[in-house]
Amino acid sequence: GQQVMQIPQYQHVQEGEDFTTYCNSSTTLSNIQWYKQRPGGHPVFLIQLVKSGEVKKQKRLTFQFGEAKKNSSLHITATQTTDVGTYFCAGPPGDMRFGAGTRLTVKP
Amino acid sequence: DAGVIQSPRHEVTEMGQEVTLRCKPISGHNSLFWYRQTMMRGLELLIYFNNNVPIDDSGMPEDRFSAKMPNASFSTLKIQPSEPRDSAVYFCASRRNRGQVSGANVLTFGAGSRLTVL
Repeated sequence: GQQVMQIPQYQHVQEGEDFTTYCNSSTTLSNIQWYKQRPGGHPVFLIQLVKSGEVKKQKRLTFQFGEAKKNSSLHITATQTTDVGTYFCAGPPGDMRFGAGTRLTVKP
Repeated sequence: DAGVIQSPRHEVTEMGQEVTLRCKPISGHNSLFWYRQTMMRGLELLIYFNNNVPIDDSGMPEDRFSAKMPNASFSTLKIQPSEPRDSAVYFCASRRNRGQVSGANVLTFGAGSRLTVL
């Protein structure tokens, strides 16, 4: 099945710093989804991007879908301790394979 | 809506024993996915069903693993015989397939079954 690659694997930031994770595919994706998993929890859906070049915002989170629909990013502005967790991208909609995830830790 | 329900939440068993994990998807969802999560391998797709039919089981590690979905409201993942390397958290997720419609195809995960094989 198609694989999505995600970087970085880990990111440790000071509270208030920004954070970005990137998702890349070797083939064009019809859409891409982002999920967040809190420590000890299960993945929870954040957002879906469908259109080329699409940008969506959820409060301090900004999601982008590349023009070629082969890459995507999640940017968090001014991280808070509540942002701690692992962020996954997933696609395509058929078999829903997840990237390796980026584990974010935030130092207060 | 009770969400996706998985059981057991935790299981500790000895090598060689049979393990059965259960999942009840959200009513009305017509696709069901089984994932395995470990530190080393991340979140791996094992198998998924559309309308109770297995579509892709290429992620199933080996013949010791089997999955069934006898009806729209129930699925099982069975490991026989179990081995220590099967220790992981197993997630079930379901969704309502609506093709390429924006906002569709969102996965809802269960709380997971944590398996420890001694």
